[in-house]
Amino acid sequence: GENVEQHPSTLSVQEGDSAVIKCTYSDSASNYFPWYKQELGKRPQLIIDIRSNVGEKKDQRIAVTLNKTAKHFSLHITETQPEDSAVYFCAASNDYKLSFGAGTTVTVRA
Amino acid sequence: ETGVTQTPRHLVMGMTNKKSLKCEQHLGHNAMYWYKQSAKKPLELMFVYNFKEQTENNSVPSRFSPECPNSSHLFLHLHTLQPEDSALYLCASSQEGGRVGSNQPQHFGDGTRLSIL
Repeated sequence: GENVEQHPSTLSVQEGDSAVIKCTYSDSASNYFPWYKQELGKRPQLIIDIRSNVGEKKDQRIAVTLNKTAKHFSLHITETQPEDSAVYFCAASNDYKLSFGAGTTVTVRA
Repeated sequence: ETGVTQTPRHLVMGMTNKKSLKCEQHLGHNAMYWYKQSAKKPLELMFVYNFKEQTENNSVPSRFSPECPNSSHLFLHLHTLQPEDSALYLCASSQEGGRVGSNQPQHFGDGTRLSIL
């Protein structure tokens, strides 16, 4: 089955700086890569996703890049704000189901 | 957002109790999912229902029994649970499941925090 590894497990950044989270996946057939944000005590919410026919996608301060050859994808958050503090999960879709990374706890310091 | 609603939000039960978790989605989706979320671990897929039919049972112990009476409702019946079953149980839905739905966004509920005494 699909195996998704996510790094780092924790990330502390100064407000205004950028944050980068990286994920690798094992199955070259995976074709859909969503990112979820989960604030403390709340539900995971989809923040951005990318499909395998696209190399990069951007939505305001959030961007995702995909390298199919190397089987890794990354989330980039620019100009971080305190409300960006949360746990971020990457996932890869292989056939019938999503496989998730273990999550990255991002803390934005004021 | 109230697209996916889970009840109860918190549940404490003994190992010999029987209880049920409920999930309801108001998004018109046809696929529903149960996930288990434990601290510092990836979300674990438990069950998938597509058009009310179970299409995935991810080697889940029989003490967890899902039920999907229609595309909008999903239950997880619990019986004789173990302390290691304590976790956050998340329900999700997507437009479709299966191979077609594998690249569709999933929308999550707030989860049920389950504690086994």
